[in-house]
Amino acid sequence: EAQVTQNPRYLITVTGKKLTVTCSQNMNHEYMSWYRQDPGLGLRQIYYSMNVEVTDKGDVPEGYKVSRKEKRNFPLILESPSPNQTSLYFCASSSSGGVGTEAFFGQGTRLTVV
Amino acid sequence: GENVEQHPSTLSVQEGDSAVIKCTYSDSASNYFPWYKQELGKRPQLIIDIRSNVGEKKDQRIAVTLNKTAKHFSLHITETQPEDSAVYFCAASSGSARQLTFGSGTQLTVLP
Repeated sequence: EAQVTQNPRYLITVTGKKLTVTCSQNMNHEYMSWYRQDPGLGLRQIYYSMNVEVTDKGDVPEGYKVSRKEKRNFPLILESPSPNQTSLYFCASSSSGGVGTEAFFGQGTRLTVV
Repeated sequence: GENVEQHPSTLSVQEGDSAVIKCTYSDSASNYFPWYKQELGKRPQLIIDIRSNVGEKKDQRIAVTLNKTAKHFSLHITETQPEDSAVYFCAASSGSARQLTFGSGTQLTVLP
């Protein structure tokens, strides 16, 4: 089954404690990205990756890091989480063909930073 | 960068009526406009999309229209049903980086 898998689904952590949210896709997609969803603000892109070892900032990259060492994985790293990073996070992947292709989303990770 | 505005933020309709959600975008280079539906507690899923060389696209009860001159596009849902209740997001992309810029979302409630 084609899917994007995020882990964990729920996470409560304390300010300053480094954490990683994993994202894996099995569709051989070149393009992957991370979004955060906050009420009234929609989905805002944090980082994206065009392919292995190619990453770039999205609209709200401050406080986040990513890496793309393998095509299927795109982890999101919060080196020193703060309460304003409490949010619902989605990973998404899409293929690189043509003008616009469907983005497939993971099931989401609800992060609470206290 | 691209800016997408979406209206209204909430919309309630009676079952069987039509619903219309509107979006405007700022970057004239944008050429791909998808719509995503997010049910409560679920992930966003693509329901329909349109490319800049097309003015209208229809899929059963849903349709999307695009006016490139005015830089706006709309989602139309006819004969609404309770299962259409969800948050709907529009998005725009200029394609080369496949960056999708999303609108702020519309909570659609279909009243039985």
